[in-house]
Amino acid sequence: EDQVTQSPEALRLQEGESSSLNCSYTVSGLRGLFWYRQDPGKGPEFLFTLYSAGEEKEKERLKATLTKKESFLHITAPKPEDSATYLCAVDLDNYGQNFVFGPGTRLSVLP
Amino acid sequence: NAGVTQTPKFRVLKTGQSMTLLCAQDMNHEYMYWYRQDPGMGLRLIHYSVGEGTTAKGEVPDGYNVSRLKKQNFLLGLESAAPSQTSVYFCASSWTVHTQYFGPGTRLTVL
Repeated sequence: EDQVTQSPEALRLQEGESSSLNCSYTVSGLRGLFWYRQDPGKGPEFLFTLYSAGEEKEKERLKATLTKKESFLHITAPKPEDSATYLCAVDLDNYGQNFVFGPGTRLSVLP
Repeated sequence: NAGVTQTPKFRVLKTGQSMTLLCAQDMNHEYMYWYRQDPGMGLRLIHYSVGEGTTAKGEVPDGYNVSRLKKQNFLLGLESAAPSQTSVYFCASSWTVHTQYFGPGTRLTVL
């Protein structure tokens, strides 16, 4: 069964304390891996797309990396405004109906 | 450019009542999707559309119907609401199957 898991479920960091979020997947065919940020009461906001092992993408304090079985979202020197739930999703077949989301990691950055 | 909008933002229904959720996008996207998000679970795909006049079932379609009569609109209907349909509903759209852009969500409670 295709599955996407994320760890940890929740993470509390002090401002400036770098860390990483993990997204692991067991799928038969990966067409792309996506990271989204979701603020409370809002829809997910697109961050990154990764297509192949070894690929990396960066945006401000965030860097996403991809291996054959997992992806990491590295947060460098986070600020309180980085507090949100981070979702990863995998696209299994290029046709849109097999876009599987993980449950998310709830990140809190304390000042 | 409003992106993806959803109407209404909140709704309370009694068991057995019907309602329609409206999603509109002004980005000329071909693909549109309806998801539901429940606590502790990832976003789950209800129905999707790959173009005007087309619809298809996702992972959890039972109890819902959809229509895409115009390219910019995607409607989600509940014919006879049940408490199990209490959830937050998100609409998304995309140029291709990969990068999906989400609306702000509709919080539905069925009593």
